[in-house]
Amino acid sequence: GAVVSQHPSWVICKSGTSVKIECRSLDFQATTMFWYRQFPKQSLMLMATSNEGSKATYEQGVEKDKFLINHASLTLSTLTVTSAHPEDSSFYICSADGTSGSGETQYFGPGTRLLVL
Amino acid sequence: SQQGEEDPQALSIQEGENATMNCSYKTSINNLQWYRQNSGRGLVHLILIRSNEREKHSGRLRVTLDTSKKSSSLLITASRAADTASYFCATDASYNTDKLIFGTGTRLQVFP
Repeated sequence: GAVVSQHPSWVICKSGTSVKIECRSLDFQATTMFWYRQFPKQSLMLMATSNEGSKATYEQGVEKDKFLINHASLTLSTLTVTSAHPEDSSFYICSADGTSGSGETQYFGPGTRLLVL
Repeated sequence: SQQGEEDPQALSIQEGENATMNCSYKTSINNLQWYRQNSGRGLVHLILIRSNEREKHSGRLRVTLDTSKKSSSLLITASRAADTASYFCATDASYNTDKLIFGTGTRLQVFP
């Protein structure tokens, strides 16, 4: 089946630093990837939609200058949390849309846990 | 917020019992999906039910969909300790069917 990887799986950083998270589709090409954030014991909240070769579309309330998204190829999207602060500590999950483009075939990565000290 | 609601928020049962989780959503949909998430891990897709379907089965899973009530249920029969996880429903967003809107989730604990 389709596999999506994320790197790193967890990261601890100091407040004020930037952290980059990679999301890769390993055996398929994904024109669209999605980034979610999940706080403890809460649901996944969509942050942005990443489209290969174009600017990401951010959900309401998500700061695009804070969460930089780059979808440079059909198999890689990156999320950079700039000038991270403790309130950015969360579980970040990406998903990649299969070729149907209908949302029915989203494959999820294993997540990246970010802790900002 | 378009986020769906799930109930119960938490459910504890003994192995062998059945577990039922409910999901309500707010807008018209094309399909509804159920996912499972083990603690601190990614999501595993369980089942997809389309808006023109009323019931679907997959192994020990049974999903129903009532579009008139904007609700769905997930039944896990003969539960096992390994079923312990959080379960989320997800619907396609009415304004963009590529996007998924997740419910609040049900944390299921199955005791051996």
